[in-house]
Amino acid sequence: DAGITQSPRHKVTETGTPVTLRCHQTENHRYMYWYRQDPGHGLRLIHYSYGVKDTDKGEVSDGYSVSRSKTEDFLLTLESATSSQTSVYFCATGPIGEKLFFGSGTQLSVL
Amino acid sequence: KNQVEQSPQSLIILEGKNCTLQCNYTVSPFSNLRWYKQDTGRGPVSLTIMTFSENTKSNGRYTATLDADTKQSSLHITASQLSDSASYICVVSERDTPLVFGKGTRLSVIA
Repeated sequence: DAGITQSPRHKVTETGTPVTLRCHQTENHRYMYWYRQDPGHGLRLIHYSYGVKDTDKGEVSDGYSVSRSKTEDFLLTLESATSSQTSVYFCATGPIGEKLFFGSGTQLSVL
Repeated sequence: KNQVEQSPQSLIILEGKNCTLQCNYTVSPFSNLRWYKQDTGRGPVSLTIMTFSENTKSNGRYTATLDADTKQSSLHITASQLSDSASYICVVSERDTPLVFGKGTRLSVIA
């Protein structure tokens, strides 16, 4: 897994509550990414970061925010969770133009 | 819109047999093409990455080919094993922009 960990692995929450997912890497990669994976869709980019405090939106960023205060940590926040945000979330990192390393994923269920 | 289409959606083969998975893309300008393997409940793991100038790349029993003119790639698995059962995802990169993921091919290898 090239030193990338996600927490929690599983989360069940209620509609309208805030949720924060954490991604931690030990390889000092500049780029970090948050994806969601749903049946019938390929992995879709939510947000990514190209350095400390440098982030940008992906194709499905509505309802999500991110923060990167340290190189090794990239946080994904659902300000007010909705049922449509039930998904598996993957964090990834790696050198630009080279292979990405993915975390093991977070299964989030919003009831 | 840049797209990556994979076929077949799913495939069942007998252990020891070979198989080929297909990937067609419309991403342009093209930077590189990657194949990932994703076991159930895990994050994707990189198998191969090919640039525009590479026609083939191998990783053990996995061989990827690329035809940049027709925008097609294939992943050939030789002498399949039960552990090859997974989803195989084709991913295409534009220059300096986030990756475009296919929906994957679900491969089941049975004894």
